[in-house]
Amino acid sequence: DQQVKQNSPSLSVQEGRISILNCDYTNSMFDYFLWYKKYPAEGPTFLISISSIKDKNEDGRFTVFLNKSAKHLSLHIVPSQPGDSAVYFCAASPGGGADGLTFGKGTHLIIQP
Amino acid sequence: EAGVAQSPRYKIIEKRQSVAFWCNPISGHATLYWYQQILGQGPKLLIQFQNNGVVDDSQLPKDRFSAERLKGVDSTLKIQPAKLEDSAVYLCASSLDRLSGELFFGEGSRLTVL
Repeated sequence: DQQVKQNSPSLSVQEGRISILNCDYTNSMFDYFLWYKKYPAEGPTFLISISSIKDKNEDGRFTVFLNKSAKHLSLHIVPSQPGDSAVYFCAASPGGGADGLTFGKGTHLIIQP
Repeated sequence: EAGVAQSPRYKIIEKRQSVAFWCNPISGHATLYWYQQILGQGPKLLIQFQNNGVVDDSQLPKDRFSAERLKGVDSTLKIQPAKLEDSAVYLCASSLDRLSGELFFGEGSRLTVL
């Protein structure tokens, strides 16, 4: 049973435009959400996080939005750059830290020149 | 600052053989994790250590997988005997403590079981 779902296996976006990656979750106990970015042959790297007391968190070109009632979060990248091409994993945990961290299957973002 | 070190990077074995993976976390990181990532899936937690104690091993197939972190620093994950479905990338990660959701991952060890 997938508790964290990323329904788009891949997404293609033109350079300079906005990339929007979506993530849904089913476990109501999740209260801390993270996005990780992964390049081929490397381990995932932390990108941005948000706790359930907020509905938005911004870090440079990256913004994460959380809609608790819909159990949905999204990652916005503006403007998209070629180096953003990677697999993005959404992850969630119930305790505010990494205990019980559950990952989605990932979305492969491809930035077209 | 050195990152999380893992070895070997690649391993090919036949089913029923055994294999061991090693991980050295970032210096000072108390929490260490082993994740299994099967192709096309997200990472799945196998075991979590806090110093040299196990916090969570609920998803570790204990009939064939074992892990230890004897001195609270580096860790070894062993599979014996391996099955075809164990083919995956084994990722080690560390964090300063359990309150931090920011995990630092190593490059992973890719296992192919034939």
